[in-house]
Amino acid sequence: AQSVTQLGSHVSVSEGALVLLRCNYSSSVPPYLFWYVQYPNQGLQLLLKYTTGATLVKGINGFEAEFKKSETSFHLTKPSAHMSDAAEYFCAVIEGSQGNLIFGKGTKLSVKP
Amino acid sequence: GAGVSQTPSNKVTEKGKYVELRCDPISGHTALYWYRQSLGQGPEFLIYFQGTGAADDSGLPNDRFFAVRPEGSVSTLKIQRTERGDSAVYLCASSLDGGPNTEAFFGQGTRLTVV
Repeated sequence: AQSVTQLGSHVSVSEGALVLLRCNYSSSVPPYLFWYVQYPNQGLQLLLKYTTGATLVKGINGFEAEFKKSETSFHLTKPSAHMSDAAEYFCAVIEGSQGNLIFGKGTKLSVKP
Repeated sequence: GAGVSQTPSNKVTEKGKYVELRCDPISGHTALYWYRQSLGQGPEFLIYFQGTGAADDSGLPNDRFFAVRPEGSVSTLKIQRTERGDSAVYLCASSLDGGPNTEAFFGQGTRLTVV
């Protein structure tokens, strides 16, 4: 079965600093990988996804992630954090062909002024 | 509608009672998913509908949980004899065809509290 591990339940950065949120997955087949963001009292919103092709994926709000098969990783980065980036971030992998997502436990990002 | 709508947004019920949670997916989306998000955890898959039929209900925790989608649009998640451990946010998502390459859109969830 596929699974997702997010290292660090809480990450705190200063405004303008690099954001790095870590995600490792296990999958016996080529994975489809996703990052979702959840703002307080809002639904999950897709940030970016990797399906096939280019391993560096760009998403909304300046975020990007790189699929590294050799490391089974899909870490999320943003060069310069904004206060508005404070939210909870979930890494996920698709299980099977029917689109249901397997999520990690999430990483809460705090941004200090 | 413009997005996935879930009602109610909050539900408080007494232990042992029956509850129904409603999901109104994006119009035209054939795939519908229910997830449960407990405090401090990521969402966990419950059930997947393709049209009117439950294509995968392997995530339902036990037979107290049941979901229907009789006309292939609105879905209702039903929980019998609620327990305090059922307290969580129940999320609904829909996608155009359920394929792994189509985006799933999530509702804001129903926060269920069993007291």
